Amino acid sequence: DTAVSQTPKYLVTQMGNDKSIKCEQNLGHDTMYWYKQDSKKFLKIMFSYNNKELIINETVPNRFSPKSPDKAHLNLHINSLELGDSAVYFCASSPFQGSKTQYFGPGTRLLVL
Amino acid sequence: DQQVKQNSPSLSVQEGRISILNCDYTNSMFDYFLWYKKYPAEGPTFLISISSIKDKNEDGRFTVFLNKSAKHLSLHIVPSQPGDSAVYFCAASADQGAQKLVFGQGTRLTINP
Repeated sequence: DTAVSQTPKYLVTQMGNDKSIKCEQNLGHDTMYWYKQDSKKFLKIMFSYNNKELIINETVPNRFSPKSPDKAHLNLHINSLELGDSAVYFCASSPFQGSKTQYFGPGTRLLVL
Repeated sequence: DQQVKQNSPSLSVQEGRISILNCDYTNSMFDYFLWYKKYPAEGPTFLISISSIKDKNEDGRFTVFLNKSAKHLSLHIVPSQPGDSAVYFCAASADQGAQKLVFGQGTRLTINP
């Protein structure tokens, strides 16, 4: 049983398209995150939700919109994709908002052509 | 402005010897530090952590050392095993309600038989 799962694993798309990445965790955790790993390999936080409520929103273009239908899911929708959006996107979860340890999904490799 | 840095992109160690991975940080507000291990095509997995009130934490073959005055931490793996070959990320967080992890860029560790 996968604890934190992401779909799709790979996504190749054209500039200007809109795409979504889905994340689900079956750990019963309250808090979920989206990270972006860029070409320089740094993992940087984008968003965090706690019990469906947005608690972290880093300086991310508003083309990126997270949506949390319930506390087990945090999806990432990206509008008008740009070349610079190509990266690996990781979803993570933690038991509660103040919890220090986060559990990561396998990542979604996005390539924008 | 990268607040967490891993200056060695790669490290090669012989099986059975000690592996030492280093990490430096600049933000004195960081009070909790974690090491994650990542295999190709998988998400980072939590390995070991340390609070700023300690200077050492040990878990089996893994020991993390923290030198607050130097703003430096290190991960020691002894003895190194082939399965330890992976990318190791150092991460840090400051005491706040929402746990935002700041990651280094990773060090690729290769254990040679």
